[in-house]
Amino acid sequence: GAVVSQHPSWVICKSGTSVKIECRSLDFQATTMFWYRQFPKQSLMLMATSNEGSKATYEQGVEKDKFLINHASLTLSTLTVTSAHPEDSSFYICSAIRTGGSYNEQFFGPGTRLTVL
Amino acid sequence: KNQVEQSPQSLIILEGKNCTLQCNYTVSPFSNLRWYKQDTGRGPVSLTIMTFSENTKSNGRYTATLDADTKQSSLHITASQLSDSASYICVVSVYGNNRLAFGKGNQVVVIP
Repeated sequence: GAVVSQHPSWVICKSGTSVKIECRSLDFQATTMFWYRQFPKQSLMLMATSNEGSKATYEQGVEKDKFLINHASLTLSTLTVTSAHPEDSSFYICSAIRTGGSYNEQFFGPGTRLTVL
Repeated sequence: KNQVEQSPQSLIILEGKNCTLQCNYTVSPFSNLRWYKQDTGRGPVSLTIMTFSENTKSNGRYTATLDADTKQSSLHITASQLSDSASYICVVSVYGNNRLAFGKGNQVVVIP
């Protein structure tokens, strides 16, 4: 199957700092990627849709100035958590859409564990 | 509102036994239904994808069923192994916009 990678796999940072998470589609091009956040024992919650070459679309309640998304190429989207606080600690997962075939399949990355001290 | 409900929330099964997980959804318009396996601390991995016209699909020891009329799906795990311990997430794709509606997952623990 298609491969989506994330980097870093885990990060610990101090409160007030910014953290960048990368999401790459390794063997296909993705004009659309998604960023999710998952709290323990909870389902994945969609944060935003990342569109190559245009602005991201954020879900209601997600601060666009706090969670900066850049989708500069067809294989890379980045999520920057600005001025991180302990409540931002979570598991962040990206996914990429591979088009073609009978349906558009969405492949998930392995996730990034963010811990803000 | 697009919703996906899964049951049971969690279950413990003996190694070698079978189990069935349930998923009910109210997503519309429907595109396809997927089952994912998510190990702790990892991203979801696709097990099966079924469109409206498909009512069963297998992937090794995993067999998924879909009844589009009653909007129900099940995932059957045969001859469970310790490595099957994970959360199994039912996900329904909304037609036309690539958005996914997620269930909260069935937490399966396989014990020796």
